[in-house]
Amino acid sequence: EVQLVESGGGLVQPGGSLSLACTASGFNFSNYEMNWVRQAPGKGLEWLCFISSSGGTIHYADSLKGRFVVSRDNAKNSLYLRMSSLRDEDTAVYYCARNNVGAGGKNWFDPWGQGTLVTVSS
Amino acid sequence: DIQMTQSPSSLSASVGDRVTITCRASQRISTYLNWYQHKPGKAPKLLIYSASNLQSGVPSRFSGSGSGTDFTLTISSLQPEDFATYSCQQSYSTPRTFGQGTRLEIK
Repeated sequence: EVQLVESGGGLVQPGGSLSLACTASGFNFSNYEMNWVRQAPGKGLEWLCFISSSGGTIHYADSLKGRFVVSRDNAKNSLYLRMSSLRDEDTAVYYCARNNVGAGGKNWFDPWGQGTLVTVSS
Repeated sequence: DIQMTQSPSSLSASVGDRVTITCRASQRISTYLNWYQHKPGKAPKLLIYSASNLQSGVPSRFSGSGSGTDFTLTISSLQPEDFATYSCQQSYSTPRTFGQGTRLEIK
């Protein structure tokens, strides 16, 4: 079964740091681009970042302003998100999602993990 | 950035109803448009990719259409398990923006 499982969420104080992990199984992780997406309470989904299969190409949402760093370890079938200088507004459920590419460069996210909750609060 | 606007933001309907959700892009995106279903505590699920392609395993009561700036997701006959939030997403350019979501509730 193709599966993504996030871990590492929890309660962190404003200004603090936290690292999330996403472990893949059921497919050749090293062949796929990956994304992180979050959903804050009462808000829509927000794309955060993209990393290519090799890790050589990375894109971030401008709103992150350099506070988040995405990485991957293909030998461990794992994707990571290092978050620093956390703010109240970073409180959200964080999802990893596999990028799939079809004809004409069209792409979509599937599957997604079940998410891990990050709460930023003093 | 491409802005995605969904309507309505919420919708009440009954089992068996036909429901249509609309998504509008702030610029033309051809058919670089995907639809997802998400429920609290569960992984979001891909329903439709490239505007009109039904993802494998998704019931045929779901369909998508549109091109350019205007897109629709239609559920032909609502089932109890369909009450959830639906979001569109453009994959034409980075950042990959989502609509704000449409919450489908039981009437």
